[in-house]
Amino acid sequence: GENVEQHPSTLSVQEGDSAVIKCTYSDSASNYFPWYKQELGKRPQLIIDIRSNVGEKKDQRIAVTLNKTAKHFSLHITETQPEDSAVYFCAATKGSARQLTFGSGTQLTVLP
Amino acid sequence: EAQVTQNPRYLITVTGKKLTVTCSQNMNHEYMSWYRQDPGLGLRQIYYSMNVEVTDKGDVPEGYKVSRKEKRNFPLILESPSPNQTSLYFCASSLRENQPQHFGDGTRLSIL
Repeated sequence: GENVEQHPSTLSVQEGDSAVIKCTYSDSASNYFPWYKQELGKRPQLIIDIRSNVGEKKDQRIAVTLNKTAKHFSLHITETQPEDSAVYFCAATKGSARQLTFGSGTQLTVLP
Repeated sequence: EAQVTQNPRYLITVTGKKLTVTCSQNMNHEYMSWYRQDPGLGLRQIYYSMNVEVTDKGDVPEGYKVSRKEKRNFPLILESPSPNQTSLYFCASSLRENQPQHFGDGTRLSIL
């Protein structure tokens, strides 16, 4: 099955700086890579996703890059704000497997 | 309002006493899934369903059952709960597989 590794497990940045979270996956057939944000005590919510036919996708301060050859994808948050503080999860799925495998999460803290 | 509704939100029970966690979505989604969330392990998929009467095992199905008799409902059944099933559980749905998933608010189960 798919294995997704996520790093770092914790990340602290100063407000206004950028944050980068990296994930690697094991199955080269994986083709859908969502990122979820989970605030304390809340449900995970999708913030951005990318499919294997695209190398990069942006949505305002958030971007995701995908390197299929190296089997890794990354979340980039620019101009971080205190409200960006949360746990971020990456995930990967194969269309044929229909399963979604999550990374172990990154606790992002944005210091004012 | 489009939503995924789980009940109960909190439950404390004892080993061996059968319990059911209900999940309902009002978005006419085909794909539904159950996850458990444990510290340091991220979200792990228990079972998923592609459509009515179609269910399949995820990564950690042992000790759980599900059913999908109607499109909107996907209950999670613990026939004989044990303490290692103490966890935070999330139900999620999406239009189809490999689409953004919408999560419920979670159910915190404590098995004594």
